[in-house]
Amino acid sequence: ELKVEQNPLFLSMQEGKNYTIYCNYSTTSDRLYWYRQDPGKSLESLFVLLSNGAVKQEGRLMASLDTKARLSTLHITAAVHDLSATYFCAVTHNNNDMRFGAGTRLTVKP
Amino acid sequence: EPEVTQTPSHQVTQMGQEVILRCVPISNHLYFYWYRQILGQKVEFLVSFYNNEISEKSEIFDDQFSVERPDGSNFTLKIRSTKLEDSAMYFCASMLGVQGYTFGSGTRLTVV
Repeated sequence: ELKVEQNPLFLSMQEGKNYTIYCNYSTTSDRLYWYRQDPGKSLESLFVLLSNGAVKQEGRLMASLDTKARLSTLHITAAVHDLSATYFCAVTHNNNDMRFGAGTRLTVKP
Repeated sequence: EPEVTQTPSHQVTQMGQEVILRCVPISNHLYFYWYRQILGQKVEFLVSFYNNEISEKSEIFDDQFSVERPDGSNFTLKIRSTKLEDSAMYFCASMLGVQGYTFGSGTRLTVV
């Protein structure tokens, strides 16, 4: 059974600081996704990582994928309050079915 | 930008009643999904649907659950006899290819 683990589950950081969220998964997959969820809202796609070594950046967020280590990272640079949200990684399983990590609840404090 | 539309946004139902959650996926998408999220918790896979049939379902998706795509546009999730523990946010998603899912805005189901 595919397991997707994220850490940390809760992250409180100061504005302007950097931090990394980690996503490990248990079986071979070459597609990994990062989503953002604001409270009470739906899931917004952030990044799609389709191959080993893929790196994508959007603003203060950068995601990478190492399929050999079964690890993806979401790096936050110089955090701002607007980044406060829950971030989920998800991995495809059995064709296109996606399984989610437990989520990382990020709070950015002034 | 194309959207996945879900209705209703909030449904309150009595325990034991049947509910139908409705979704209109993006028109040229081929794969359809239902997920649920109990408040503050992880996003759990329920079922995937492709080529007019269920392709995979989780252990949560028991005999009380069913899905249909009755008219080529709507994609529905029926819960036959709701339980208190069915209270959650239910998300529909659709996908064309490897770029991942587009999620609907969700239906908050409250069973009382």
